[in-house]
Amino acid sequence: DVVMTQSPLSLPVTLGQPASISCRSSQSLVYSDGNTYLNWFQQRPGQSPRRLIYKVSNRDSGVPDRFSGSGSGTDFTLKISRVEAEDVGVYYCMQGTHWPPGFGPGTKVDIK
Amino acid sequence: QVQLQESGPGLVKPSETLSLTCTVSGGSISSYYWSWIRQPPGKGLEWIGYIYYSGSTNYNPSLKSRVTISVDTSKNQFSLKLSSVTAADTAVYYCARDQYSSSPTYYYYGMDVWGQGTTVTVSS
Repeated sequence: DVVMTQSPLSLPVTLGQPASISCRSSQSLVYSDGNTYLNWFQQRPGQSPRRLIYKVSNRDSGVPDRFSGSGSGTDFTLKISRVEAEDVGVYYCMQGTHWPPGFGPGTKVDIK
Repeated sequence: QVQLQESGPGLVKPSETLSLTCTVSGGSISSYYWSWIRQPPGKGLEWIGYIYYSGSTNYNPSLKSRVTISVDTSKNQFSLKLSSVTAADTAVYYCARDQYSSSPTYYYYGMDVWGQGTTVTVSS
């Protein structure tokens, strides 16, 4: 199975400041069609996960544009340009290129 | 707006079978893949498996020998059965709509609609 890792696992941030989460896969996530199936999810405290970004950099409807995804191959990044209080939670990357689909361990974002 | 709701017993005895149902409202179960995902207390997310509305399934190899997912299109529901449970199966279980296609072209965008989750505890 493809192993997904994230860093850091805990990220204290200052309101209004940027934040960056790294996600790495043990194998390239480029599918045979040339696309890369790396998705990001947010789980706020006490809530179900919510997809933020799919296929590396495509934001879901209703997701603020302060969230952006980038990367290629085995290295990916989720960036929050200016952290707001509602961004507190755990962020998971998930790969869908190789079977079975799998999530990273999660990065907990909280306010300093 | 599609909504998902999990239902089923919150307590299951060791060695017995966990059974959960997900009811889809606000839309049809047809033409989509539907997944089960679980989250042990304080831990991350684990994909359990999916079912297509036609009934075709695929399971996580780590759970495949114990998992059965089924669908009832007449009720707009799909269900999870996990046999021979142990304390390690204690988790919040989520149902979700999966954005996946294997034919004619492949894509996998993950789960775009989630249920609220239901807690299942395995204990005697």
